[in-house]
Amino acid sequence: QQPVQSPQAVILREGEDAVINCSSSKALYSVHWYRQKHGEAPVFLMILLKGGEQKGHDKISASFNEKKQQSSLYLTASQLSYSGTYFCGTEKAGGTSYGKLTFGQGTILTVHP
Amino acid sequence: DSGVTQTPKHLITATGQRVTLRCSPRSGDLSVYWYQQSLDQGLQFLIQYYNGEERAKGNILERFSAQQFPDLHSELNLSSLELGDSALYFCASSVLGRGGQETQYFGPGTRLLVL
Repeated sequence: QQPVQSPQAVILREGEDAVINCSSSKALYSVHWYRQKHGEAPVFLMILLKGGEQKGHDKISASFNEKKQQSSLYLTASQLSYSGTYFCGTEKAGGTSYGKLTFGQGTILTVHP
Repeated sequence: DSGVTQTPKHLITATGQRVTLRCSPRSGDLSVYWYQQSLDQGLQFLIQYYNGEERAKGNILERFSAQQFPDLHSELNLSSLELGDSALYFCASSVLGRGGQETQYFGPGTRLLVL
């Protein structure tokens, strides 16, 4: 079952912050975040494993709340280069889900000067 | 550049035809994943191979098949093509094929248009 991302789209000015959420109805083992620019391949941002961890990379960070089966991606002091579609990919807990990432529908982020 | 290569970049064909998409993983990566991305279905996992063996299957149609060769490159075969098969097909690779536990590096994709 596909995770649900919110919001569907965000429009920001440079320097503003944004939060993108990813929720699943299934128990999750891991959450992956990718950014895809139009016509290009998805580019890996980070993986979060169960255990409720939080990670950061430059001004982009993410958290994973295992109990709520929810992950959030935080973009602070946004730059023009942050524009693109953000996808979360989830791996369900349990042996039969091994190797399968299920992606959300994507959140379109647009940063204006 | 992720190090994953895919050919061809674009493919235009007619309904009922068969095509083969090719993927070369990053050097040292043993696992290959195939994804389909379309406007209405989003990014969907099709199939995973690890060191030549099928490891996981997703929403892959029976008309589609894939294999991974001893040199670790992979091919996705699409047959009896329908208009709805038009999409971007991505290949991704990872080192050990531990699915969601590893970073998957995506290739540039093959854009398939079925007329």
